[in-house]
Parts: sequence; C-alpha cells; structure tokens
Amino acid sequence: QKEVEQDPGPLSVPEGAIVSLNCTYSNSAFQYFMWYRQYSRKGPELLMYTYSSGNKEDGRFTAQVDKSSKYISLFIRDSQPSDSATYLCAMRTSGTYKYIFGTGTRLKVLA
Amino acid sequence: DAGVIQSPRHEVTEMGQEVTLRCKPISGHNSLFWYRQTMMRGLELLIYFNNNVPIDDSGMPEDRFSAKMPNASFSTLKIQPSEPRDSAVYFCASSVTGTEQYFGPGTRLTVT
Repeated sequence: QKEVEQDPGPLSVPEGAIVSLNCTYSNSAFQYFMWYRQYSRKGPELLMYTYSSGNKEDGRFTAQVDKSSKYISLFIRDSQPSDSATYLCAMRTSGTYKYIFGTGTRLKVLA
Repeated sequence: DAGVIQSPRHEVTEMGQEVTLRCKPISGHNSLFWYRQTMMRGLELLIYFNNNVPIDDSGMPEDRFSAKMPNASFSTLKIQPSEPRDSAVYFCASSVTGTEQYFGPGTRLTVT
C-alpha cells in the first residue's frame, strides 16, 4: 500500500462546475499538506498548503484536511478550462522536508 | 524574478554514458531538492540539501546517482553509468522555508 493514494482520473467536468479532488494517506504523523498543479510538460506549481487540520481558502480554491479520516481535499469553484491540469497532493511530517507525493489526478474542464 | 533554472531541458543519451543535470535555485533560497517523475512511480524525492549540505539522500536509487551542491547557486545531479530505466523527467526545486517548494521546468532524460 502506498503512503499516499490519489485517483488518477481523468476527471472531466463542464465549465463552471465545482471540482473535488482527494487524497488519502496512511501515515498519521503527516502534518503538512500541499496541493500542486502541473500542466503538461511543465514543473509542478504550488497552489496552497495547510498545516495540521482545518480548511484554507484562496480565491476559487479551498483545501481541507481531515486527520481523523486521513483524507485531504481540494475544491475548485467555478472551474475554468484553464484549470485543466494534473493536480498533485503532497505531505510530510514535521522535522523533515521530505514530501511524499500522490501520483496525481488529471482534470479536464470542458468549455 | 527568475525562477528555478534547469539545464539541459532535454537529454538523449546512450546506455552507459555519463549524464549531468544542472540546477540554479532561486536566489536567496537555502534548500534545494532533486526529484524524479515517471508515469509508474509519480514524483519521488531523490535528495535534498539545506545550506549546501545534503540532508536526506535516502531516495537516491543506487550508487550510479550522485548529487553535489558546491555553492548556494548551483547543484548537479550525475548519473554514471546511465541505464534505460533512468529515463524520466528530473525536477529541481528550491525553497526558503522548506515547506513551499518552487519547481523548475524539468529535464527530460531519455536513455536508449
């Protein structure tokens, strides 16, 4: 079993839809949770991160962490075709900068 | 501001050859990370440096891989000898805090 699991997709949604992207993990010691967006043939781009539990909002993006369920989510409101990309979750424990990445979910937003 | 710079962007080499990938981190960032991305295994951390010192190299697959950071503005990842299974995209990332990591555009390596 991988430490971080992520559905590869692809996930296809119409423009304007609310998108929910998720990761599950097995290591209860993870404290830092990141979301990256990666366009084809580009490097990952940091979207947002949260520390420990709770929610964080940034524009159209909301990140949620449920440590009791070992489950994190990224919500995208009013999705746009430009949001079409692969979304990677990543997480780490305190005391190290070694992130464990999910394999990514490919999202397609249809105009 | 310039982001993380990697060179070359593409590298095609024959099995057995030495490959050197280069990275220039963002100025002022004191942590540097080397990652490898493949379809099968996703994005994996190979090694990271803090203040030019290797901190964790547990992800380096075997002795054929080595990384150096001689100063705060330059790092190399070397593969010698290269093998077809090393074909992947190699990313360099840098960070001030270690938490927020900024990735370069990657080097696409093909070993034939």
